[in-house]
Amino acid sequence: EVQLVESGGGLVQPGGSLRLSCAASGFTFSSYWMHWVRQAPGKGLVWVSRINSDGSSTSYADSVKGRFTISRDNAKNTLYLQMNSLRAEDTAVYYCARGEVGAYYFDYWGQGTLVTVSS
Amino acid sequence: SSELTQDPAVSVALGQTVRITCQGDSLRSYYASWYQQKPGQAPVLVIYGKNNRPSGIPDRFSGSSSGNTASLTITGAQAEDEADYYCNSRDSSGNHHVVFGGGTKLTVL
Repeated sequence: EVQLVESGGGLVQPGGSLRLSCAASGFTFSSYWMHWVRQAPGKGLVWVSRINSDGSSTSYADSVKGRFTISRDNAKNTLYLQMNSLRAEDTAVYYCARGEVGAYYFDYWGQGTLVTVSS
Repeated sequence: SSELTQDPAVSVALGQTVRITCQGDSLRSYYASWYQQKPGQAPVLVIYGKNNRPSGIPDRFSGSSSGNTASLTITGAQAEDEADYYCNSRDSSGNHHVVFGGGTKLTVL
C-alpha cells in the first residue's frame, strides 16, 4: 500500500524557517517524481515545487522561488521542503504528492501538515 | 504563468448527470487531471490523461476535452460525490510548472 506521511509543520514567526518531511512507503520511491502542493485555509490547491526521480532537477512556483528548497533522500525514501523567510501568506496545509515521471498529475497524496506563519 | 478557470459552485439532483468544466490555454496542449476533495481530507485523483480512472474510482466519473476546455462528467451523481473538485495541468509557459483551477464545490441535492 502506497503511503505518504508528512511531518514538520507547526507555528513559526514571519521570517523564520521550517523543514517539512514526507516519508514514503509501499512503492519504489526513487522511480517517481515528487511534488509539494499547499492549500491555505478555506482556499484552493496551489502547486509549490517538484523534484525529479534522482533529485537532479527541481522546479518552483514563482511565489516560493528563492525561499523554498525541495530535496529528496532516496536511500531514506524521504522528501523534504526547506522553507526560509516565511511569510503570513505561506500559511497552509502542505501536501506531498507522487507523480509519474514526466507527468503532471498526482496519483497519491499524503494527509498534509499544517504550517502557520504568525507572530 | 497559465491559469485554469472553474465555476465556483455547481449543483445536481441525486442520480442526475453533472458536468464540471475547466478552462485555460494550457488545455490546448496538455490534458487536465481531476481531483476530488472532501472536507478535512487530502485530494484524490479521479481522472487523468485522456480519460483514465485510477483503480477504485467508479465508472460514473469520466473526462473529456475540447479546445481550451476540459470537463469532468459524473453520470448518476451520488450523495457521496458531494465534494470540491479541482482540475490541473502542466503550465503552458514552458517552465515545467503545474497549475490548478480554483475548484468547484459540487452539491448533490
